[in-house]
Amino acid sequence: ETGVTQTPRHLVMGMTNKKSLKCEQHLGHNAMYWYKQSAKKPLELMFVYNFKEQTENNSVPSRFSPECPNSSHLFLHLHTLQPEDSALYLCASSQGSKAFFGQGTRLTVV
Amino acid sequence: QKEVEQDPGPLSVPEGAIVSLNCTYSNSAFQYFMWYRQYSRKGPELLMYTYSSGNKEDGRFTAQVDKSSKYISLFIRDSQPSDSATYLCAMSEEGGGSNYKLTFGKGTLLTVNP
Repeated sequence: ETGVTQTPRHLVMGMTNKKSLKCEQHLGHNAMYWYKQSAKKPLELMFVYNFKEQTENNSVPSRFSPECPNSSHLFLHLHTLQPEDSALYLCASSQGSKAFFGQGTRLTVV
Repeated sequence: QKEVEQDPGPLSVPEGAIVSLNCTYSNSAFQYFMWYRQYSRKGPELLMYTYSSGNKEDGRFTAQVDKSSKYISLFIRDSQPSDSATYLCAMSEEGGGSNYKLTFGKGTLLTVNP
């Protein structure tokens, strides 16, 4: 248990569905992140939030929409995804340079 | 040239072997260097953390950073089957505020055979 909890652990959705991924951290960190992990590729940074403010959007398509209502919670809203968006989506939090990851949501788009 | 290069393996060793995992990088501004271990179907777990150059040891694990060569290593002594996982190197620049962007290697899949 790293103190970062992600739900759901697995998600299968159609291309016309709308779903949300949730992340909660119990570490008192001020920064939260979304990463995408695809097979045979390095982890890709998607979004960074610092004190609830988005400080980085790494050219992510608009079908991914993040939300950070407070420093402990982070959401990733998904709509009209493509099959190539199937991947493991990881949430992380940090205070300084040490990042701690959740277990991830395995997303399959059909 | 990719920012961080890591041989994806797979690497298979017998139990008790010494394992050497490596990454090279091109960005001389990287100051923080990390190794994460990721078991199948789990999130990455921070294993070793080093600031700037030098060595750090924690039990059977030793992390080395050579900034002059832009090369980092992770050594595992007396490897165990429980060490079987994917090992990811990660690094970041001196960040602003409290958020740091990590750049990852692709990960090396390690199997330790009993």
